[in-house]
Amino acid sequence: DQQVKQNSPSLSVQEGRISILNCDYTNSMFDYFLWYKKYPAEGPTFLISISSIKDKNEDGRFTVFLNKSAKHLSLHIVPSQPGDSAVYFCAAAGFGNEKLTFGTGTRLTIIP
Amino acid sequence: DTEVTQTPKHLVMGMTNKKSLKCEQHMGHRAMYWYKQKAKKPPELMFVYSYEKLSINESVPSRFSPECPNSSLLNLHLHALQPEDSALYLCASSQDIYPVGIPPSSYNSPLHFGNGTRLTVT
Repeated sequence: DQQVKQNSPSLSVQEGRISILNCDYTNSMFDYFLWYKKYPAEGPTFLISISSIKDKNEDGRFTVFLNKSAKHLSLHIVPSQPGDSAVYFCAAAGFGNEKLTFGTGTRLTIIP
Repeated sequence: DTEVTQTPKHLVMGMTNKKSLKCEQHMGHRAMYWYKQKAKKPPELMFVYSYEKLSINESVPSRFSPECPNSSLLNLHLHALQPEDSALYLCASSQDIYPVGIPPSSYNSPLHFGNGTRLTVT
C-alpha cells in the first residue's frame, strides 16, 4: 500500500522556467513532509520540509506548498537550473507512522 | 560534501562471504538509520538506532546484523547474502528519532543521508 505517491515518474523543464513536482498522500495522520533530491551514485540530500501547521515554506529557489484537504504537496523550483536535474523524492511522517515514508520519486531533467 | 560518511563505496561479495558496511557522522545526531534502495525504487527502512540502542527492526533477515559501537558509528554486518540483496545501502542520521505520540513536525528533524555503499552479491 503506497501511502505517498508521486504520479509523474519524469518531468522535463526548460532552464530558467519553473519546475513543479507533485506528491499525494493517503494517510491523514501525516503531519511532517520533506523533499529530497538524489543524484546518481549519491545519497538523498535534504532540500526542504513543511509542517502541517503551515501551507507554504520557502528556502531560496525552493518553495513547498501543502494542501491538507487535498492531501497534496508540491515543490516549486524557480528558476530551474541544469544542476537541478536529479530524482526528487517526497517523504512524510506523522502520528502512528513516525518513520519516514518515501514516495517513488520523479526524475527532473532541466533542458539548457 | 555529505556529513554522513559511508565506506566502502562499492562492495562485491560472494554468497559465503562475511563483510561489513561502515557509517560515521559527527553532527551529534542521536538517531542513525540503515536504508536499502533498489533501482528506480524509494529507500526502504531496515533499522533505526536511537541513543545507540536498536529502536526499530523492519523484519530484516538475520543475514543483516546492525551494530552501533558508539553515537557516531553504525555498522551493518553481512553474512550469507543472496543475489537479490544487491542494492544501494544508505546510512542516515537525524537529531532524534520521531518519538511515539509526539508530532514529528514539532521537532523538525530531517534525515541526512550518506552517499551509500553499492553492494553486489555474486
